[in-house]
Amino acid sequence: NAGVTQTPKFRILKIGQSMTLQCAQDMNHNYMYWYRQDPGMGLKLIYYSVGAGITDKGEVPNGYNVSRSTTEDFPLRLELAAPSQTSVYFCASSYLAARNQPQHFGDGTRLSIL
Amino acid sequence: AQKITQTQPGMFVQEKEAVTLDCTYDTSDPSYGLFWYKQPSSGEMIFLIYQGSYDQQNATEGRYSLNFQKARKSANLVISASQLGDSAMYFCAMARGSSNTGKLIFGQGTTLQVKP
Repeated sequence: NAGVTQTPKFRILKIGQSMTLQCAQDMNHNYMYWYRQDPGMGLKLIYYSVGAGITDKGEVPNGYNVSRSTTEDFPLRLELAAPSQTSVYFCASSYLAARNQPQHFGDGTRLSIL
Repeated sequence: AQKITQTQPGMFVQEKEAVTLDCTYDTSDPSYGLFWYKQPSSGEMIFLIYQGSYDQQNATEGRYSLNFQKARKSANLVISASQLGDSAMYFCAMARGSSNTGKLIFGQGTTLQVKP
C-alpha cells in the first residue's frame, strides 16, 4: 500500500521562485492536510481540505495556496519563496474528521530557500 | 484557545526501563481526541496511540499506554521496556471533536534517547 505519497523529497529554491509540492493518497480519504515543521518544533497546519473542491486555511497559510480537484491529490503551491518558508512539509490524510481518526502522514518534503 | 504543552525537550532512559513523556492540553471543548506520534530520525510521522475524551479506560497499544487524567488535562505517554529503536522525537496532538475538520494541534515534542 502506497498510503500518502509526497514529491519531491528534497528541494532547494532560490528566493522569489515558485514551486508546487505534490501529495497523493490512495486510501480514498476525504480529509487531507498540509503541515509544516520547523527545526525542533511541532507541526503547524497550513491548509486543509474536507473533500474535492473544498479547502480552508489553517494556522499558518500566508505564502501558500492549495487546490483539491480530486479526492486523491492535494498539491501545495508556494508563490515567491522566502527564507522563512524553509521547513519540512508534511501531507496527511484521514477517512473521517472524527476526533478518533488518526491521520496518515507522508514522508515529508524537505525544502530549503536560499 | 486550544494548546498542547510538552515540557520535556529531551529525555534519557536506560534500555528495558519504562519512561513517561508528559503532555498537558488546554481546551474548552468537551469532545476531543488526543494522539501520540513518533518521529524517528528518518523523519516520518508514525501514529502510536489514541485517547478520546469520553473514554473511561486508559488506552494501551502493546508497549505504549496513555496515562489520561482528565481533571488535570494531562495525557502522558508511557513506554514500557524501552528499546533502542524507541529513540525518536515524540509528539502529543489534539483534535477537537466539535470542529468536524480533524485538524490537529501539536505540542513541541520530546526527544527520547534510549541508552544501551
